[in-house]
Amino acid sequence: DVKVTQSSRYLVKRTGEKVFLECVQDMDHENMFWYRQDPGLGLRLIYFSYDVKMKEKGDIPEGYSVSREKKERFSLILESASTNQTSMYLCASSVQGVRTEKLFFGSGTQLSVL
Amino acid sequence: SQQGEEDPQALSIQEGENATMNCSYKTSINNLQWYRQNSGRGLVHLILIRSNEREKHSGRLRVTLDTSKKSSSLLITASRAADTASYFCATVHLQGAQKLVFGQGTRLTINP
Repeated sequence: DVKVTQSSRYLVKRTGEKVFLECVQDMDHENMFWYRQDPGLGLRLIYFSYDVKMKEKGDIPEGYSVSREKKERFSLILESASTNQTSMYLCASSVQGVRTEKLFFGSGTQLSVL
Repeated sequence: SQQGEEDPQALSIQEGENATMNCSYKTSINNLQWYRQNSGRGLVHLILIRSNEREKHSGRLRVTLDTSKKSSSLLITASRAADTASYFCATVHLQGAQKLVFGQGTRLTINP
């Protein structure tokens, strides 16, 4: 089975800290995605990547950046964490584009920014 | 916004009954997908239906798609307590980037 692993289930950070959320997939998938999930708002796409060193902004990229130096790893970076970035963060991957393929999700990271 | 909308937001039924959830969207799609999420966990893919398909089955799941009404439904037959979860529809639109756009989900509770 495909495995998408997020490095932390829970994180607590201080306002202004630089935060790294790591995601690794083990099935050589081309595409990787970062979503955040908030009550009443559903899942919103932050950034996605179709190839190594390639990234594209999603619907809410402000305050975030990403890094994809290796195919299996996609990192989400909060340059200066703020309380409104408290959320559940979900990483996902897919073999090819979503026009033909489903997404495989990690278990999520619940981030609290105090 | 391209975001889909699920209806109802919450549904509570007795074990053994059928559960129906609906999803509506606004712009033409390439495909529509349903996902399930147990509390505090990641999403798990259930079924994908393409724009040229009208109905798909997978075990106790039945999904229909009506592109003229821009809507889909997910039916879970003979529900079990373990089906308690949130269910999300997600659409891939014909225009724009290849990305899944999720609705806000339906919270399904199956009472034993």
